[in-house]
Amino acid sequence: KAGVTQTPRYLIKTRGQQVTLSCSPISGHRSVSWYQQTPGQGLQFLFEYFSETQRNKGNFPGRFSGRQFSNSRSEMNVSTLELGDSALYLCASSSEGAGANVLTFGAGSRLTVL
Amino acid sequence: GIQVEQSPPDLILQEGANSTLRCNFSDSVNNLQWFHQNPWGQLINLFYIPSGTKQNGRLSATTVATERYSLLYISSSQTTDSGVYFCAVSISGGYNKLIFGAGTRLAVHP
Repeated sequence: KAGVTQTPRYLIKTRGQQVTLSCSPISGHRSVSWYQQTPGQGLQFLFEYFSETQRNKGNFPGRFSGRQFSNSRSEMNVSTLELGDSALYLCASSSEGAGANVLTFGAGSRLTVL
Repeated sequence: GIQVEQSPPDLILQEGANSTLRCNFSDSVNNLQWFHQNPWGQLINLFYIPSGTKQNGRLSATTVATERYSLLYISSSQTTDSGVYFCAVSISGGYNKLIFGAGTRLAVHP
C-alpha cells in the first residue's frame, strides 16, 4: 500500500512569490491535514479537509489556503511568500472509523524563501 | 487551548540503555499519538493511545487519561532510535487537528 506522497520535496522561492504544494493520501483515506514545522514554532496545524470540505482550520493568515479534490488529493497554496514561511510542510492522511484517527504523514515539502 | 508539555527536552543515552519520555496535557483528549521524527524529517506514527497501554517490540506506551499524562518507554535503545519524539493530542470535535508538544530530542551513542 503506497504511503502519503508529497510533491515537490524541496523548493526555493523568493519573497512575494506564491507556491503550491501537493499531497496524495493513502488510497481510501478521505481526510487530509496539513502542518507547518519551523524551529521556532514547532509543529502547527494549518487545516484539514474531508470529502472536499475544510473541516478545521488553524491560526494562520489568509495567505495560506488549501483544497481537496474528489480523489482526496489535496493542495495547499501560500501566496505573497514571506521569509518566515520557510518551513517543512507536512501532510497527513487518515481513514475514518472506530479508532481509526491515526495520522500517517508524508515525507514533507521543504520550502525555503529567499 | 490545550497545552502539551514534553519532558525531558533532550536526552543522551548509551546504546542498550532504557528511557522514559513523558507527555502532560492540560485537558481531556480523545486522541493521543506518539511520533518519531527521523533526521530526514519523516514523522512515523509509533502509537495511537488515548488511554491504556500498548507495546510494540522495544517500545511501549501508557496513557493515564484521568491524570492527563502519557509515557513512552524505550528499552535497549539503539542508535537508530535517535531523533525527535513527539506527543500529539486532539480534543473532542477537533477531528484530526493535532496539537503537538515541543518534542524530546534523543541521541543514542554506540
